[in-house]
Amino acid sequence: QSVLTQPPSVSGPPGQRVTISCTGSSSNIGAGYDVHWYQQLPGTAPKLLIYGNNNRPSGVPDRFSGSKSGTSASLAITGLQAEDEADYYCQSYDSSLSGSVFGGGTKLTVL
Amino acid sequence: EVQLLESGGGLVQPGGSLRLSCAASGFSFRSYAVSWVRQAPGKGLEWVSAISAGGGGTYYADSVKGRFTISRDISKNTLYLQMNSLRAGDTAVYYCARYPYQLLDHFDFWGQGTLVTVSS
Repeated sequence: QSVLTQPPSVSGPPGQRVTISCTGSSSNIGAGYDVHWYQQLPGTAPKLLIYGNNNRPSGVPDRFSGSKSGTSASLAITGLQAEDEADYYCQSYDSSLSGSVFGGGTKLTVL
Repeated sequence: EVQLLESGGGLVQPGGSLRLSCAASGFSFRSYAVSWVRQAPGKGLEWVSAISAGGGGTYYADSVKGRFTISRDISKNTLYLQMNSLRAGDTAVYYCARYPYQLLDHFDFWGQGTLVTVSS
Protein backbone atom coordinates (compact mmCIF):
# COMPACT_ATOMS: atom_id res chain seq x y z
CA GLN A 1 0.00 0.00 0.00
CA SER A 2 1.53 3.27 -1.14
CA VAL A 3 1.92 6.32 1.10
CA LEU A 4 0.52 8.50 -1.66
CA THR A 5 -2.82 7.43 -3.12
CA GLN A 6 -3.58 7.62 -6.83
CA PRO A 7 -6.53 6.22 -8.81
CA PRO A 8 -5.49 2.96 -10.53
CA SER A 9 -6.74 4.14 -13.90
CA VAL A 10 -8.16 7.05 -15.85
CA SER A 11 -9.22 7.30 -19.47
CA GLY A 12 -10.45 9.72 -22.07
CA PRO A 13 -10.81 10.19 -25.82
CA PRO A 14 -8.27 12.14 -27.86
CA GLY A 15 -8.50 15.86 -27.32
CA GLN A 16 -10.11 15.63 -23.91
CA ARG A 17 -8.76 16.83 -20.55
CA VAL A 18 -8.05 14.36 -17.77
CA THR A 19 -6.77 14.79 -14.24
CA ILE A 20 -4.92 12.39 -11.97
CA SER A 21 -5.09 12.95 -8.24
CA CYS A 22 -2.44 12.21 -5.62
CA THR A 23 -3.56 12.21 -2.00
CA GLY A 24 -1.12 12.26 0.87
CA SER A 25 -1.12 13.23 4.53
CA SER A 26 0.24 15.70 7.06
CA SER A 27 3.69 14.09 6.97
CA ASN A 28 4.24 14.56 3.24
CA ILE A 29 2.16 16.74 0.91
CA GLY A 30 0.27 18.35 3.78
CA ALA A 31 3.54 19.27 5.46
CA GLY A 32 4.41 21.44 2.49
CA TYR A 33 6.76 19.14 0.66
CA ASP A 34 6.80 19.44 -3.11
CA VAL A 35 5.05 16.98 -5.39
CA HIS A 36 6.62 15.71 -8.59
CA TRP A 37 5.17 13.69 -11.45
CA TYR A 38 6.67 11.08 -13.77
CA GLN A 39 5.49 9.44 -16.95
CA GLN A 40 6.46 5.85 -17.64
CA LEU A 41 5.87 4.44 -21.10
CA PRO A 42 5.68 0.63 -21.37
CA GLY A 43 9.07 -1.00 -20.99
CA THR A 44 10.94 2.22 -20.32
CA ALA A 45 12.34 4.12 -17.36
CA PRO A 46 10.26 6.87 -15.74
CA LYS A 47 10.59 10.36 -17.17
CA LEU A 48 10.23 13.57 -15.16
CA LEU A 49 7.07 15.40 -16.18
CA ILE A 50 6.44 17.99 -13.44
CA TYR A 51 8.68 19.05 -10.56
CA GLY A 52 8.11 21.36 -7.65
CA ASN A 53 4.32 21.01 -7.91
CA ASN A 54 3.87 22.90 -11.17
CA ASN A 55 7.14 23.25 -13.07
CA ARG A 56 7.79 21.59 -16.42
CA PRO A 57 11.27 20.51 -17.47
CA SER A 58 12.32 21.73 -20.88
CA GLY A 59 10.81 19.59 -23.61
CA VAL A 60 7.63 18.69 -21.74
CA PRO A 61 4.58 20.07 -23.59
CA ASP A 62 2.47 22.69 -21.85
CA ARG A 63 -0.47 20.29 -22.15
CA PHE A 64 0.85 18.88 -18.88
CA SER A 65 0.35 20.89 -15.69
CA GLY A 66 0.46 20.28 -11.97
CA SER A 67 -1.18 21.76 -8.92
CA LYS A 68 -1.18 21.21 -5.18
CA SER A 69 -3.58 22.08 -2.39
CA GLY A 70 -3.61 20.91 1.20
CA THR A 71 -2.78 17.22 1.37
CA SER A 72 -3.40 16.58 -2.33
CA ALA A 73 -1.94 17.28 -5.73
CA SER A 74 -3.17 16.84 -9.28
CA LEU A 75 -1.74 16.32 -12.73
CA ALA A 76 -3.81 17.66 -15.60
CA ILE A 77 -3.37 16.65 -19.22
CA THR A 78 -5.21 18.64 -21.85
CA GLY A 79 -5.63 17.84 -25.53
CA LEU A 80 -5.15 14.13 -24.86
CA GLN A 81 -3.06 12.32 -27.47
CA ALA A 82 -2.50 8.63 -28.15
CA GLU A 83 1.16 9.02 -27.17
CA ASP A 84 0.10 10.07 -23.67
CA GLU A 85 -0.99 6.51 -22.92
CA ALA A 86 1.32 5.53 -20.07
CA ASP A 87 1.60 5.07 -16.31
CA TYR A 88 1.87 8.22 -14.21
CA TYR A 89 3.39 8.46 -10.74
CA CYS A 90 3.44 11.20 -8.14
CA GLN A 91 6.33 11.54 -5.69
CA SER A 92 7.06 13.56 -2.57
CA TYR A 93 9.05 13.44 0.65
CA ASP A 94 7.70 11.99 3.87
CA SER A 95 9.08 13.29 7.16
CA SER A 96 7.84 10.31 9.18
CA LEU A 97 9.67 7.90 6.90
CA SER A 98 12.62 10.22 6.25
CA GLY A 99 12.60 9.29 2.60
CA SER A 100 11.05 9.74 -0.79
CA VAL A 101 7.61 8.26 -1.37
CA PHE A 102 5.67 7.43 -4.54
CA GLY A 103 2.05 7.02 -5.39
CA GLY A 104 0.88 3.63 -6.59
CA GLY A 105 0.65 4.83 -10.16
CA THR A 106 -2.21 5.60 -12.55
CA LYS A 107 -2.63 3.97 -15.94
CA LEU A 108 -3.89 6.43 -18.53
CA THR A 109 -5.79 4.93 -21.44
CA VAL A 110 -6.57 7.03 -24.50
CA LEU A 111 -9.81 5.67 -25.88
CA GLU B 1 24.68 13.95 -22.31
CA VAL B 2 23.78 12.67 -18.86
CA GLN B 3 23.86 8.88 -18.73
CA LEU B 4 23.28 6.39 -15.95
CA LEU B 5 24.00 2.76 -16.73
CA GLU B 6 23.06 0.05 -14.24
CA SER B 7 24.59 -3.41 -14.14
CA GLY B 8 24.95 -6.37 -11.82
CA GLY B 9 21.42 -7.71 -11.84
CA GLY B 10 20.61 -11.38 -12.20
CA LEU B 11 19.14 -14.45 -10.57
CA VAL B 12 20.00 -15.06 -6.93
CA GLN B 13 18.67 -17.47 -4.35
CA PRO B 14 16.78 -16.29 -1.26
CA GLY B 15 19.25 -15.31 1.42
CA GLY B 16 21.91 -14.53 -1.15
CA SER B 17 23.74 -11.32 -1.99
CA LEU B 18 24.21 -9.17 -5.04
CA ARG B 19 25.95 -5.87 -5.77
CA LEU B 20 24.48 -3.47 -8.29
CA SER B 21 26.51 -0.77 -10.02
CA CYS B 22 25.47 2.42 -11.76
CA ALA B 23 28.05 4.08 -13.99
CA ALA B 24 27.48 7.81 -14.39
CA SER B 25 28.71 9.97 -17.26
CA GLY B 26 28.05 13.34 -18.85
CA PHE B 27 27.97 15.30 -15.60
CA SER B 28 30.01 15.99 -12.48
CA PHE B 29 29.09 12.88 -10.49
CA ARG B 30 30.71 14.20 -7.31
CA SER B 31 28.31 17.15 -7.24
CA TYR B 32 25.01 15.30 -7.18
CA ALA B 33 23.09 13.14 -4.75
CA VAL B 34 21.87 9.91 -6.30
CA SER B 35 19.41 7.19 -5.46
CA TRP B 36 18.10 3.71 -6.15
CA VAL B 37 14.44 3.15 -7.01
CA ARG B 38 12.93 -0.25 -7.75
CA GLN B 39 9.88 -1.57 -9.52
CA ALA B 40 8.55 -5.07 -8.95
CA PRO B 41 7.10 -6.78 -12.03
CA GLY B 42 3.77 -5.18 -12.89
CA LYS B 43 3.91 -2.93 -9.82
CA GLY B 44 4.64 0.69 -9.01
CA LEU B 45 7.81 2.56 -8.14
CA GLU B 46 9.40 2.16 -4.72
CA TRP B 47 12.19 4.38 -3.42
CA VAL B 48 14.98 2.21 -1.98
CA SER B 49 17.95 4.32 -0.91
CA ALA B 50 19.78 7.59 -1.46
CA ILE B 51 23.24 8.99 -0.86
CA SER B 52 24.41 12.58 -0.60
CA ALA B 53 26.83 14.15 -3.05
CA GLY B 54 29.73 13.76 -0.65
CA GLY B 55 28.70 10.29 0.42
CA GLY B 56 28.40 11.22 4.08
CA GLY B 57 24.63 10.94 4.21
CA THR B 58 22.77 7.74 3.42
CA TYR B 59 19.07 7.00 3.61
CA TYR B 60 17.06 3.79 3.30
CA ALA B 61 13.49 2.63 2.98
CA ASP B 62 12.34 0.60 5.98
CA SER B 63 11.90 -2.41 3.71
CA VAL B 64 15.65 -2.65 3.04
CA LYS B 65 17.21 -1.06 6.12
CA GLY B 66 19.86 -3.30 7.63
CA ARG B 67 20.10 -5.46 4.50
CA PHE B 68 21.11 -3.02 1.75
CA THR B 69 24.05 -0.62 1.70
CA ILE B 70 24.42 2.29 -0.71
CA SER B 71 27.84 3.71 -1.54
CA ARG B 72 29.63 5.68 -4.23
CA ASP B 73 33.13 5.82 -5.69
CA ILE B 74 33.86 9.32 -6.95
CA SER B 75 37.05 8.19 -8.70
CA LYS B 76 35.06 5.71 -10.78
CA ASN B 77 31.91 7.83 -11.17
CA THR B 78 29.97 4.84 -9.94
CA LEU B 79 27.08 4.28 -7.52
CA TYR B 80 26.65 0.93 -5.80
CA LEU B 81 23.97 -0.99 -3.97
CA GLN B 82 25.11 -3.95 -1.90
CA MET B 83 22.10 -6.20 -1.31
CA ASN B 84 22.30 -8.92 1.35
CA SER B 85 19.76 -11.36 2.79
CA LEU B 86 17.71 -11.09 -0.36
CA ARG B 87 14.05 -12.08 -0.32
CA ALA B 88 11.52 -12.90 -3.01
CA GLY B 89 9.96 -9.50 -2.38
CA ASP B 90 13.17 -7.81 -3.54
CA THR B 91 12.58 -9.06 -7.09
CA ALA B 92 12.37 -5.94 -9.22
CA VAL B 93 13.97 -3.76 -11.82
CA TYR B 94 16.40 -1.48 -9.99
CA TYR B 95 16.90 2.02 -11.37
CA CYS B 96 19.52 4.54 -10.37
CA ALA B 97 18.41 8.15 -10.58
CA ARG B 98 19.92 11.60 -10.03
CA TYR B 99 18.68 14.39 -7.77
CA PRO B 100 19.31 17.62 -9.70
CA TYR B 101 18.99 20.02 -6.79
CA GLN B 102 18.83 18.53 -3.34
CA LEU B 103 18.79 15.14 -1.72
CA LEU B 104 15.37 13.49 -1.45
CA ASP B 105 13.78 15.96 -3.85
CA HIS B 106 12.86 14.96 -7.42
CA PHE B 107 14.79 12.92 -9.99
CA ASP B 108 15.73 14.43 -13.36
CA PHE B 109 17.58 11.52 -14.98
CA TRP B 110 17.08 7.78 -14.67
CA GLY B 111 19.03 4.80 -15.91
CA GLN B 112 17.39 2.01 -17.89
CA GLY B 113 17.38 -0.37 -14.95
CA THR B 114 18.75 -3.80 -14.12
CA LEU B 115 16.56 -6.77 -13.21
CA VAL B 116 17.09 -8.63 -9.96
CA THR B 117 15.27 -11.92 -9.54
CA VAL B 118 15.29 -13.64 -6.15
CA SER B 119 14.17 -17.21 -6.54
CA SER B 120 15.21 -20.76 -5.73
